[in-house]
Amino acid sequence: LAKTTQPISMDSYEGQEVNITCSHNNIATNDYITWYQQFPSQGPRFIIQGYKTKVTNEVASLFIPADRKSSTLSLPRVSLSDTAVYYCLVGPDSGYSTLTFGKGTMLLVSP
Amino acid sequence: KAGVTQTPRYLIKTRGQQVTLSCSPISGHRSVSWYQQTPGQGLQFLFEYFSETQRNKGNFPGRFSGRQFSNSRSEMNVSTLELGDSALYLCASSSLQGKAYEQYFGPGTRLTVT
Repeated sequence: LAKTTQPISMDSYEGQEVNITCSHNNIATNDYITWYQQFPSQGPRFIIQGYKTKVTNEVASLFIPADRKSSTLSLPRVSLSDTAVYYCLVGPDSGYSTLTFGKGTMLLVSP
Repeated sequence: KAGVTQTPRYLIKTRGQQVTLSCSPISGHRSVSWYQQTPGQGLQFLFEYFSETQRNKGNFPGRFSGRQFSNSRSEMNVSTLELGDSALYLCASSSLQGKAYEQYFGPGTRLTVT
């Protein structure tokens, strides 16, 4: 599985747009990029997944450049409730459900 | 649809004892995975079951075992508990038709070993 690198922590204020970048230099051709969100003492929650270009859902957008060596999770107009750890995962979506989590990015949103 | 449920939510055990944790996946989901989360090691994959068969196993000692029943409910067992087994144990389910990386996690069982 491709190794990922993301910032350990980020700070933001309510109403701002937050962009969390994940580096995955050795991503393979059949790898997808997936982001999870985890609140304290809860299980992670699937946010978004993409393969290339841009994916958007009601929660976030995922931007993936042409070389796919990095990706950016964009959270529009964050609120206090977006304070959480965000994990970037990269791997083949083969039907084998093994997720490898890194350290994630701790996002702290302040008033 | 009801989400993934785990019981019990909290558990306190003594070193040397054994423990069994239970997980009920989302209705229709046949894959169940277990993860251990600790402050030091983060989220680590334990094992995954599909149709009552263990498909994948993480790098944990044999004291950690699991099984899945015909209704897809799963249990994991830890024998001869050690202090280092104190952790949040998370169960996740996914559907056969769904993407492997789109897993749905339960709230976890907080195990404390004293």
